[in-house]
Amino acid sequence: GIQVEQSPPDLILQEGANSTLRCNFSDSVNNLQWFHQNPWGQLINLFYIPSGTKQNGRLSATTVATERYSLLYISSSQTTDSGVYFCARGSQGNLIFGKGTKLSVKP
Amino acid sequence: DAGVTQSPTHLIKTRGQQVTLRCSPKSGHDTVSWYQQALGQGPQFIFQYYEEEERQRGNFPDRFSGHQFPNYSSELNVNALLLGDSALYLCASSPRGGGIEKLFFGSGTQLSVL
Repeated sequence: GIQVEQSPPDLILQEGANSTLRCNFSDSVNNLQWFHQNPWGQLINLFYIPSGTKQNGRLSATTVATERYSLLYISSSQTTDSGVYFCARGSQGNLIFGKGTKLSVKP
Repeated sequence: DAGVTQSPTHLIKTRGQQVTLRCSPKSGHDTVSWYQQALGQGPQFIFQYYEEEERQRGNFPDRFSGHQFPNYSSELNVNALLLGDSALYLCASSPRGGGIEKLFFGSGTQLSVL
């Protein structure tokens, strides 16, 4: 079946540091989404990015569909960035998620 | 706009019992999907409802069933609970025909089976 792999599984940063999270997928993709799961469990849409690059404040994302990967960049990290980051690809109207990257930003 | 609301937030059951979880979609959304998220894992798709019918189903046994009401709200029922059913259950809503970018998630119901 379709595989979505994320790396690293865990990441600890000092406040102010930059980071790159990676998502690899096993087949071609025409829709990909990044989410942040906050400590209360809610999944927040960050980017819908089937291809190309998007930026929103300190966050940006790039998807290279032909090479089957996507990257999420977090610059000048803040403690509020802590949580789990998921990438997910759409498949027939539903989402297939990776296992996530757990990010901890220390003050 | 209240977004997607789920109830209850936490629930404790024992093996063999039955449970019902509830979800109210975001205003303007008519499609509801349910996901199960085990500890340390990504969410897994259970099923999707619109027009009061199950339209898609993931790889979950028949113990998992659902319902959608005329006001678009939805219930997830799980019968004969197993320890392995302990998880965060997430509801997501979207407008019909909307792509995945229009999915909005609730905060989930944390189910513990003892």
